[in-house]
Amino acid sequence: DSGVTQTPKHLITATGQRVTLRCSPRSGDLSVYWYQQSLDQGLQFLIQYYNGEERAKGNILERFSAQQFPDLHSELNLSSLELGDSALYFCASSVGAGGTEAFFGQGTRLTVV
Amino acid sequence: DAKTTQPNSMESNEEEPVHLPCNHSTISGTDYIHWYRQLPSQGPEYVIHGLTSNVNNRMASLAIAEDRKSSTLILHRATLRDAAVYYCILRDLRMIQGAQKLVFGQGTRLTINP
Repeated sequence: DSGVTQTPKHLITATGQRVTLRCSPRSGDLSVYWYQQSLDQGLQFLIQYYNGEERAKGNILERFSAQQFPDLHSELNLSSLELGDSALYFCASSVGAGGTEAFFGQGTRLTVV
Repeated sequence: DAKTTQPNSMESNEEEPVHLPCNHSTISGTDYIHWYRQLPSQGPEYVIHGLTSNVNNRMASLAIAEDRKSSTLILHRATLRDAAVYYCILRDLRMIQGAQKLVFGQGTRLTINP
């Protein structure tokens, strides 16, 4: 158990819908990262937050947004969903922007039908 | 981000050592070498990292070439549980102080035969 909790574990929704994925980081970790993993793309970095502020952005679509709340949990919002958005979404956390080791959650499997 | 090159797949036998290579010829002086692995149906997990010297921990050893253009992750006695995709990643020391993304390549799929 990495200490990073992601909910829900599975999500099935229709095209055009909007969903919210939730991540609770390890106790004391200030940084949260989001990744997307699909079969043909591998692990793609989406975005990173540190203590409520966006710190790094990867290949995140404009239809996707994220935020980190004062209690340090984070949410990834995916809107206008397309079939191609079906993937595993991982959250990771680390001690801080200066931390070197990231701990990953078990992921949320999103299926868009 | 500096690029790493790993073999797509490797195979080994249980209880034998495994040497997973990684080439990073464009590594800069401030890049740390990190290894993560992803077991089936799980999120990635940290294995080890180093800068210049060889490193050991309870999971593995990391051997870094003198010119730092390559490194090798060593699993001393592979078990079936070590079957996973192993990722070699470079992380800029300067980036660690600010933005901190982990950029994953395709990794090496390690198969362990009983």
